[in-house]
Amino acid sequence: TQLLEQSPQFLSIQEGENLTVYCNSSSVFSSLQWYRQEPGEGPVLLVTVVTGGEVKKLKRLTFQFGDARKDSSLHITAAQPGDTGLYLCASHNAGNMLTFGGGTRLMVKP
Amino acid sequence: GAVVSQHPSWVICKSGTSVKIECRSLDFQATTMFWYRQFPKQSLMLMATSNEGSKATYEQGVEKDKFLINHASLTLSTLTVTSAHPEDSSFYICSAPGLAINYGYTFGSGTRLTVV
Repeated sequence: TQLLEQSPQFLSIQEGENLTVYCNSSSVFSSLQWYRQEPGEGPVLLVTVVTGGEVKKLKRLTFQFGDARKDSSLHITAAQPGDTGLYLCASHNAGNMLTFGGGTRLMVKP
Repeated sequence: GAVVSQHPSWVICKSGTSVKIECRSLDFQATTMFWYRQFPKQSLMLMATSNEGSKATYEQGVEKDKFLINHASLTLSTLTVTSAHPEDSSFYICSAPGLAINYGYTFGSGTRLTVV
C-alpha cells in the first residue's frame, strides 16, 4: 500500500493570505487526486493529476504534480473563510482502492 | 454527475445493539463500493471493499464479523455494525469509483454513529 504524507497537518491563517499544502510519497503515483471535505460531509473531488509536471488551476487553487510523480502540491491564493476544511490527497492502489494522506486541516479566519 | 446516497446521516444506539448503514448509487451502477471510517480530526481509513455478488474484502485489523458488509445489488451496499460498543462511535463514509480515473470517487455524505 502506497503511503502518502501530507504537510502541514494543520494550518490557521488570516483571510487574504496564501498557503501551500504538500503531498509526498516514496513511490511513484500513477495518478493523484485532491479532495476537500467539510465537517459532517463526505470528501468532494477537486482535481485529478496524471502527468508528471502537470499544473492545473481551479479558480484560486493551483495544483502541481511533480516531474517524477512522487509529490504534489496545492496552492491557494488569497484564502477566504469558505476555503476552510480538510484537504486530502489520495492515490489509487491495486484493486482500484483509494488511499488517503493524513489530511491538512485548514482554517481561514475572517 | 454520479451521486451516492448514504443513510442515515446520524444515528445514536445503545451498546450491544446493531446498526445498519445504507449506501446507494443513484444514477449509476457500482460493482464495487468502499467503506471508510474517520475519527475526529483524522483522515479516512479504508475498512473494506464491497463487491457486488461476492464477499467483501476487509483491510487488516478490521473485524469482518463485527462490520458486516452486503452488496446484494449493483446500486446498494450496506454496512452493519454488530454488537456496537462506544469505541465504534465514528464517522462512516461509503464511496464508489467514477466512470473514469479523472472522475474521481463519489462519496456519500457520511453517517455519524454514536454508541451510548
